[in-house]
Amino acid sequence: QQQVKQSPQSLIVQKGGISIINCAYENTAFDYFPWYQQFPGKGPALLIAIRPDVSEKKEGRFTISFNKSAKQFSLHIMDSQPGDSATYFCAASRDNTGKLIFGQGTTLQVKP
Amino acid sequence: GAGVSQSPSNKVTEKGKDVELRCDPISGHTALYWYRQSLGQGLEFLIYFQGNSAPDKSGLPSDRFSAERTGGSVSTLTIQRTQQEDSAVYLCASSLSGSNQPQHFGDGTRLSIL
Repeated sequence: QQQVKQSPQSLIVQKGGISIINCAYENTAFDYFPWYQQFPGKGPALLIAIRPDVSEKKEGRFTISFNKSAKQFSLHIMDSQPGDSATYFCAASRDNTGKLIFGQGTTLQVKP
Repeated sequence: GAGVSQSPSNKVTEKGKDVELRCDPISGHTALYWYRQSLGQGLEFLIYFQGNSAPDKSGLPSDRFSAERTGGSVSTLTIQRTQQEDSAVYLCASSLSGSNQPQHFGDGTRLSIL
């Protein structure tokens, strides 16, 4: 019940295209869903996060779509750039401790 | 301001030795988390501190692992009698409080057990 499943494992997108990464969770007690971006040799950096009372959140080129009934959420990167090439992790947590349960990660490559 | 600082950035040690990993959180952050990142297991939660107490240590994989936090600031993760399966990147994160506040990660300590 603690799992967060992420797909795809890897993704190749052309510059200017849309990158889409999907996650699904099981525990309905989760109430916070962040996305992290990680470059090689660096720690994860928070990109954007959503709570289940909204269905969509947009920050610049990054959008989270959230479907509470399906227990799924996704990250959309619009106008993908080579500098977006990194590993992306979805995560989920409960309000009591905030400990993050991570998806398995998606390696994104944006080709120039 | 300064981010989360971890030291050492790399540690190579022999099987059976003890290691200590250090985390300096962002000033004023009361919540501190340790995670482990390995190829086979992804990113796993280890332990959560609120102030100096650890209300959730459910992710520590064995009794060889322990952690403490002093002065509501610096934390040390200790691994005793290291095994090869302990090889991983150990990441520390801090947040303003434990209640779903954004967590800010350090760059980790890469631990290699020979």
